[in-house]
Amino acid sequence: GQQVMQIPQYQHVQEGEDFTTYCNSSTTLSNIQWYKQRPGGHPVFLIQLVKSGEVKKQKRLTFQFGEAKKNSSLHITATQTTDVGTYFCAGDNYGQNFVFGPGTRLSVLP
Amino acid sequence: GAVVSQHPSWVICKSGTSVKIECRSLDFQATTMFWYRQFPKQSLMLMATSNEGSKATYEQGVEKDKFLINHASLTLSTLTVTSAHPEDSSFYICSARDHSRGYEQYFGPGTRLTVT
Repeated sequence: GQQVMQIPQYQHVQEGEDFTTYCNSSTTLSNIQWYKQRPGGHPVFLIQLVKSGEVKKQKRLTFQFGEAKKNSSLHITATQTTDVGTYFCAGDNYGQNFVFGPGTRLSVLP
Repeated sequence: GAVVSQHPSWVICKSGTSVKIECRSLDFQATTMFWYRQFPKQSLMLMATSNEGSKATYEQGVEKDKFLINHASLTLSTLTVTSAHPEDSSFYICSARDHSRGYEQYFGPGTRLTVT
């Protein structure tokens, strides 16, 4: 079945440093979504990428969807303590499967 | 817009009893609802997908007779954990999708179940 992997599992950064998490799917995706879950909270939708090679930006966050639509990345520039949480990618296989990656837990040291 | 609520937010029950968790889309019609289970510091594991008015589709390894899902209306889905055991203790999260809005899932706040 479809598998979605993420690396790294954990990342500790100093405030102001950049952060990147990578997401890889075993199958081609119709779209990929990114969610953020704060400690003790529930996942909150960040963005959806649909087109091959798509790049979207949200302030300090940059999302990319690979040309083959099997991988994606989330890059945060100049991290802040408010960025703390777990970032999940979720791969949608044309509505047949929706699989969350294991997540990358980000810690930001002030 | 696109708010999903869950009730209760936490529940403690004794082994052998049943617990019902409600998931409601408050300001949109959820054509599809999803039920996830999340263990501490782990990812979300999809348990089942339900479309309004039809039987839920369960993921492999999820006992449909133990985790009863009902999606009776476009705004309400329920998950009933029957004959609960301590190993059923977990964080259960629902999400809802409105196909007219696209692929995005809107998540509820989750329900923490503890079985003693």
